[in-house]
Amino acid sequence: ELKVEQNPLFLSMQEGKNYTIYCNYSTTSDRLYWYRQDPGKSLESLFVLLSNGAVKQEGRLMASLDTKARLSTLHITAAVHDLSATYFCAVIKTSGSRLTFGEGTQLTVNP
Amino acid sequence: EAGVAQSPRYKIIEKRQSVAFWCNPISGHATLYWYQQILGQGPKLLIQFQNNGVVDDSQLPKDRFSAERLKGVDSTLKIQPAKLEDSAVYLCASSILTAGGMVGRAFFGQGTRLTVV
Repeated sequence: ELKVEQNPLFLSMQEGKNYTIYCNYSTTSDRLYWYRQDPGKSLESLFVLLSNGAVKQEGRLMASLDTKARLSTLHITAAVHDLSATYFCAVIKTSGSRLTFGEGTQLTVNP
Repeated sequence: EAGVAQSPRYKIIEKRQSVAFWCNPISGHATLYWYQQILGQGPKLLIQFQNNGVVDDSQLPKDRFSAERLKGVDSTLKIQPAKLEDSAVYLCASSILTAGGMVGRAFFGQGTRLTVV
């Protein structure tokens, strides 16, 4: 069974700082997604990573995928308060169709 | 483009009562998912449809939960009878099916927040 683990689960950081959230998964996969969830809201799709070495960037967020290490990272550059949310990675295993989520990383950016 | 629509947004019921949730996916999306998200956790898949057929219901508590997707469009999820531990947000999502038979990115609805008292 596919397991998806994120760390850290809680992250408190100051505005202007950089940090990385990690997502490890347990079986082969060629599709990984990052979602953002604000309190009381639904999930918003951020990135789709489809191949080894894929890198996607949007504003202060950059996501990458290493399928050999079964690892994805979400890097935050010069954090701002508006980035405060919970971030989930979700994985579909190779030849599968079930989207399995990690536990989420609750990010708080303090002024 | 209209997103995934869900109703109701909120529901409070007593334990042992029944409840139903409705979802209308994005037009043209063949794949539809129901997820359960307990507070502080990641979403957990309950059931996945492809058109009107079930692809994965291995994590659906079938003694009390049921779901259907008539005509491959709208879907309903029912709980009967509800337990206290069913309190959660129920999220519906949909995605396309590519020409190669792979599911695309999932788009989520606003969810239904269920409280069982």
